[in-house]
Amino acid sequence: KAGVTQTPRYLIKTRGQQVTLSCSPISGHRSVSWYQQTPGQGLQFLFEYFSETQRNKGNFPGRFSGRQFSNSRSEMNVSTLELGDSALYLCASSLGQEDNEQFFGPGTRLTVL
Amino acid sequence: AQKVTQAQTEISVVEKEDVTLDCVYETRDTTYYLFWYKQPPSGELVFLIRRNSFDEQNEISGRYSWNFQKSTSSFNFTITASQVVDSAVYFCALSEARRQAGTALIFGKGTTLSVSS
Repeated sequence: KAGVTQTPRYLIKTRGQQVTLSCSPISGHRSVSWYQQTPGQGLQFLFEYFSETQRNKGNFPGRFSGRQFSNSRSEMNVSTLELGDSALYLCASSLGQEDNEQFFGPGTRLTVL
Repeated sequence: AQKVTQAQTEISVVEKEDVTLDCVYETRDTTYYLFWYKQPPSGELVFLIRRNSFDEQNEISGRYSWNFQKSTSSFNFTITASQVVDSAVYFCALSEARRQAGTALIFGKGTTLSVSS
């Protein structure tokens, strides 16, 4: 069974640009969550999508958005990039119940210059 | 508010030593779930264990064991006879159990474990 895949693995952007990250969940998983990991703030929840609907959202500005497609694949978009957006962005998939373990992808390392 | 605290930022041990990673959580929910994840240098988070708030039985899996105590709001993780391959960052996490709350995980800051040979 294929694991969670994320593309691209590495990305370099400049301030003010926008970026789109992609996540393909494990087959059969309907929930996709996104997390931001930085040395200072640690792992922080961004949002979760379940059956193409945003079900939960963390405390991030509106520049961070996402969507989920009918095949459960998800994209995350960050507009007007800031230096502080440099981070490892992790995607996790699960069956969607609160007690289900989440399976994480390898992450996308975003560097904003 | 929900919160997870891992007070130990870094731990260094020598192979074959036992090591315990501490995790203290805060929540007002009566039903919740606790998790431990391992993040090796490759960066991918690996699921280790899940516990629900009604199950205080300790669990052992090979060299790994977990001690869940609701009275002290702690969910500690012990590695027996540590090995170099255990070197990683370990995260404790908490999730709510309210219907439709989704699956958001609240993570601690992590403990970096270094095992030397």
